[in-house]
This record gives sequence, structure tokens and C-alpha cells, in this order.
Amino acid sequence: GAGVSQSPRYKVAKRGQDVALRCDPISGHVSLFWYQQALGQGPEFLTYFQNEAQLDKSGLPSDRFFAERPEGSVSTLKIQRTQQEDSAVYLCASSLDRVIYEQYFGPGTRLTVT
Amino acid sequence: LAKTTQPISMDSYEGQEVNITCSHNNIATNDYITWYQQFPSQGPRFIIQGYKTKVTNEVASLFIPADRKSSTLSLPRVSLSDTAVYYCLVGGGTSYDKVIFGPGTSLSVIP
Repeated sequence: GAGVSQSPRYKVAKRGQDVALRCDPISGHVSLFWYQQALGQGPEFLTYFQNEAQLDKSGLPSDRFFAERPEGSVSTLKIQRTQQEDSAVYLCASSLDRVIYEQYFGPGTRLTVT
Repeated sequence: LAKTTQPISMDSYEGQEVNITCSHNNIATNDYITWYQQFPSQGPRFIIQGYKTKVTNEVASLFIPADRKSSTLSLPRVSLSDTAVYYCLVGGGTSYDKVIFGPGTSLSVIP
């Protein structure tokens, strides 16, 4: 079956631009996660949704980062006024309800801010 | 505070068995131990999960001693395609627990 998909795969933004990154989780997966991964580092947790409810946003680095999942399926991570330090790979993952440690990851979106 | 500690890197020759050990001294009673594999330019992939003793699947084995303060991921007869970063995570018990990835172990398989 289809896995987690993310779009775009690559995004180049000029400093100060807003960007929107999309995640399509596996159908029926209740939980959805966003991570930020810098080069050579492990993924860093950003936020967690259970259905449409954002239950944990403690990892969002600033108020320029915003995530939503309005209908409990597709999710969008928005970054306003991008800065160079936002350059990273943004990973989305989904999992069945409480099995949050068995996550299925998408290929990621590589964001480069110039 | 890091929940797990694992070697930063390891090298192995093709055909050898590779064991990667992860320390998790503060593991909670309800925590599971989960391992992920990540290839360059891909998202992490779930490999195996266990609670105690030994778990085996088609990819790997996971050995967990009785005190559960460490665990060992065992990859039999590695090939070049096993070159990847391997992450050990603990958590996922009965309540929500933020998932924390460490830097992982970068495994290089040498021909």
C-alpha cells in the first residue's frame, strides 16, 4: 500500500519568504509527527497530532513555525519569514493510535534558505 | 537529558555479524525499546521493537537482558546495503511520551 508522502521533495526559499510543506500520512493512521533533521544529526521532534488535535507542539523552535491537520489526515507545516537556520530536512511520520514508537516516515522535504 | 547512549560509528566487513549496543540506564517499567534504520536521503525505517529477552524478525534480532538497562541490535551477515545510521529509542509505554532520537550509530560496511 501507499506509504507516507511529502511534497515538495525539495524547496529553495529566499530568506524572509513563507513556505508550506505537505504531508500525506498512511490512510487510517491516527498519529502524525513532524521532525526537523539537520545534516549529520538525528531527527528532532517538532510536533505531534492525534487526529486533528495538536497534542504536543513543544518542539517547534519559534512562533514562525506552525502546523495544522484540520481534517485529521493531511498535515501542513508552515514556516513564516524563513531564515537560514531553518535549512534542514523536514520529516513527517505517521503511526497507528497508541503505537507511537512504530512510526512510518516519509522521504522528507529538503528546505534550503538562501 | 539523553535517554540512550550508543556508539557514534562502527565499521564492519561484508558477511560479518554486527552488534550495536545501546545503553538506557533510566528505562521506565513500561518503556519499549525500538530501533530504526536510516539511509541517506530517506526517512528512518522501523526495524524492530522489544520489551524483554529476545525478538527476531527477518531483518534483525534484538537482545534485551533482564535488567533492561541496555539492548543489542544484531544484524546477521551484513552487506554493503546495510550501510546506514541506526537509532535506538526507548519509550512508548502506557502514556504519551515525546519521541527523542539521538545521533545514532553510523554503520559502514566495507567490501
